[in-house]
Amino acid sequence: AQSVTQLGSHVSVSEGALVLLRCNYSSSVPPYLFWYVQYPNQGLQLLLKYTSAATLVKGINGFEAEFKKSETSFHLTKPSAHMSDAAEYFCAVSESSGANSKLTFGKGITLSVRP
Amino acid sequence: ETGVTQSPTHLIKTRGQQVTLRCSSQSGHNTVSWYQQALGQGPQFIFQYYREEENGRGNFPPRFSGLQFPNYSSELNVNALELDDSALYLCASSLGGPGTETQYFGPGTRLLVL
Repeated sequence: AQSVTQLGSHVSVSEGALVLLRCNYSSSVPPYLFWYVQYPNQGLQLLLKYTSAATLVKGINGFEAEFKKSETSFHLTKPSAHMSDAAEYFCAVSESSGANSKLTFGKGITLSVRP
Repeated sequence: ETGVTQSPTHLIKTRGQQVTLRCSSQSGHNTVSWYQQALGQGPQFIFQYYREEENGRGNFPPRFSGLQFPNYSSELNVNALELDDSALYLCASSLGGPGTETQYFGPGTRLLVL
């Protein structure tokens, strides 16, 4: 069984500050890991994904995440927050093998950016 | 290339009714997955269709059913609606066999059950 834990439901940063959103996963097989962003009243947009290639993954809008197997973590970072980054962020895991590629999501983190 | 589309965008039903939600997958994608996102929660996997066959199901009762058509579009049907079925229903499409590809999401259908 696979699971995702996103610590804290709300993170608030100042514009220009570092963004760090934490994600820990549990998976019985090598995982695929994803970060999605959801703006109000919209669907999910893929930010980045890890699929067993490079452990440091770069995504859209200046976000990146590092896969750390020893820590079972896949934290999302951005060096300098922008007002437009305010949204809900979801970490998700899927199995890299098996019958289907269902995504298991964390509960999400709301990112607020203060001017 | 068109992305994933869903219809309707919003829907209000009463308890006990039935509802059908529709999804058109991204061009060339042959796998469709459906998720339920309750308010303040992450999406939960309902089921997945691959080349018109159900290919995995989450912890949802049989009154949640689906179809995938030859053009890979899909329907989610929910019978005997309950208040707790109120949620955002998300469809995601992907290319290739199960377990291999990234899922791209549509904008969702927001269902309110009164």
